[in-house]
Amino acid sequence: AQSVTQLDSQVPVFEEAPVELRCNYSSSVSVYLFWYVQYPNQGLQLLLKYLSGSTLVESINGFEAEFNKSQTSFHLRKPSVHISDTAEYFCAVSPQSNTGKLIFGQGTTLQVKP
Amino acid sequence: GAGVSQSPSNKVTEKGKDVELRCDPISGHTALYWYRQSLGQGLEFLIYFQGNSAPDKSGLPSDRFSAERTGGSVSTLTIQRTQQEDSAVYLCASSYRGQGYTFGSGTRLTVV
Repeated sequence: AQSVTQLDSQVPVFEEAPVELRCNYSSSVSVYLFWYVQYPNQGLQLLLKYLSGSTLVESINGFEAEFNKSQTSFHLRKPSVHISDTAEYFCAVSPQSNTGKLIFGQGTTLQVKP
Repeated sequence: GAGVSQSPSNKVTEKGKDVELRCDPISGHTALYWYRQSLGQGLEFLIYFQGNSAPDKSGLPSDRFSAERTGGSVSTLTIQRTQQEDSAVYLCASSYRGQGYTFGSGTRLTVV
């Protein structure tokens, strides 16, 4: 079985400051890793994913996450946030098979202040 | 279709009534998932389909909840005798080989 822990329920940060949203997982099998974003009153959108290869993955809007197998972590970072990044962010894992379900963390609310 | 389509987008129902929620996945995606999102509960897995069979229904909260999938495509989630605690956003996702999950916009269910 898999589980995901997002260590911070809320992260307030000022605009243009850097941010890190932490995610740790537990699994007895190899997993794929995902970050999803949910803007207010909208659905879930895939932000980035790690399937294999380079452990550093990037999104088109400046976020990046690094898969650390030894620490079983997949933290999300952005060097400079914008007001528009205010949203809820979910970390998720699925087992590396074509039948696995996504297991989500509880979510982290990123609040970017002017 | 281009994305995962869910209908209705909003549903208000009286306590005790039955409701059906529909999900139309991305064409060619063999796996289909139902999740529930409610305040304080995060994203709860309900059921997973591979083709038309459901190898994992471990997240269904009670026997009032059931789901089916036909033709390896459209899925219907049925809630019988709705209760106020069933109020939530019900999300559907589809996937090809578990490497990318695309979510629909959800159905917001309100039980009054």
